[in-house]
Amino acid sequence: DGGITQSPKYLFRKEGQNVTLSCEQNLNHDAMYWYRQDPGQGLRLIYYSQIVNDFQKGDIAEGYSVSREKKESFPLTVTSAQKNPTAFYLCASSWGGASYNEQFFGPGTRLTVL
Amino acid sequence: QKEVEQDPGPLSVPEGAIVSLNCTYSNSAFQYFMWYRQYSRKGPELLMYTYSSGNKEDGRFTAQVDKSSKYISLFIRDSQPSDSATYLCAMSPGGTSYGKLTFGQGTILTVHP
Repeated sequence: DGGITQSPKYLFRKEGQNVTLSCEQNLNHDAMYWYRQDPGQGLRLIYYSQIVNDFQKGDIAEGYSVSREKKESFPLTVTSAQKNPTAFYLCASSWGGASYNEQFFGPGTRLTVL
Repeated sequence: QKEVEQDPGPLSVPEGAIVSLNCTYSNSAFQYFMWYRQYSRKGPELLMYTYSSGNKEDGRFTAQVDKSSKYISLFIRDSQPSDSATYLCAMSPGGTSYGKLTFGQGTILTVHP
């Protein structure tokens, strides 16, 4: 089955800890994205990567870091510098060119800070 | 003021009704317009994708874009209980900003039998 997988589904973190969220896709998509969704709000872009070994900050990158060492993987680290990390995190991927806008989403990871 | 405004609802309609969902935006550079459907605790799925002004139809769904008014709509005909979800509009300028989507807040829709 082709698709995007995110793990874990639920994640609990103590204050001051870094945590890493996994995102894998087997769609052979060029680009990958990380979004954050808060209750009653739309999605906000954290980071995106159009090619391997390259990524760009989105609108709310502070307190987050990413890597893109493989085409199919784009892990997100939520660092202790992120002041309000409790949220629903969504990973997406797309083809390149004009298809960058046609993004396919994974099932999400719900992060809760205790 | 947010770049994209969407009435959060909630919107409740009887089965079979025609549903109209709307977004307004302020950035005249937006060229690409998307509608996503998100079921509770799931990732969004792409419903409609349009470029510039005009209409696009896909089954019971019709997307309209009016760039002169900076206004987009999604119409759902013969609504079904399975259409109950949050609907998100999204937009992009394209060009060097391909892939940088700006989302509305989402409208919660409930279709009751």
